[in-house]
Amino acid sequence: EPEVTQTPSHQVTQMGQEVILRCVPISNHLYFYWYRQILGQKVEFLVSFYNNEISEKSEIFDDQFSVERPDGSNFTLKIRSTKLEDSAMYFCASRPGPNTEAFFGQGTRLTVV
Amino acid sequence: GIQVEQSPPDLILQEGANSTLRCNFSDSVNNLQWFHQNPWGQLINLFYIPSGTKQNGRLSATTVATERYSLLYISSSQTTDSGVYFCAVDSRGGGGADGLTFGKGTHLIIQP
Repeated sequence: EPEVTQTPSHQVTQMGQEVILRCVPISNHLYFYWYRQILGQKVEFLVSFYNNEISEKSEIFDDQFSVERPDGSNFTLKIRSTKLEDSAMYFCASRPGPNTEAFFGQGTRLTVV
Repeated sequence: GIQVEQSPPDLILQEGANSTLRCNFSDSVNNLQWFHQNPWGQLINLFYIPSGTKQNGRLSATTVATERYSLLYISSSQTTDSGVYFCAVDSRGGGGADGLTFGKGTHLIIQP
């Protein structure tokens, strides 16, 4: 069964460093998303991406964050100059079309020290 | 934006018991999904159910879109059902690419 794949599963980084989280969405899906879950809290929407551009972004998604689809398969989230409060689980998701079921990757647990 | 309220926030049951989890939302929706977050943090799709009723084994879900709520039923609970159950929606008022808005979840503990 096709699935969304994220790498790495865990990442520890020092405050101020840049990190890139990677995702391979399901191959025939057209809409891509990043979400964040701080430990013990609910899952929060960060950004949606369609047709090679950002469709929507939340207040959390400030200039520190960027997304890219560098090739036909990968979808990346870059966090510049990480802060302690960026420590969270980051989920990638994709879906085939508007108003369809979304499928989530297994998440990347980011720890900023 | 749309508000999603889940109840109860916590639920402790004995193995074999049945349970009902509720999700209320504040606006019309295009999409409603139920997820189970397992102890490793993975979000497992349970149901895509913007309206109607679906069943999958011991689990079933019903969404009454006109009254803006959804229910998740778990019958004959097993210890592996433990975890957090999230309801997530996207608003009918938004565009097709909108992200999901999640509730705070119901933390379910099934004791042997």
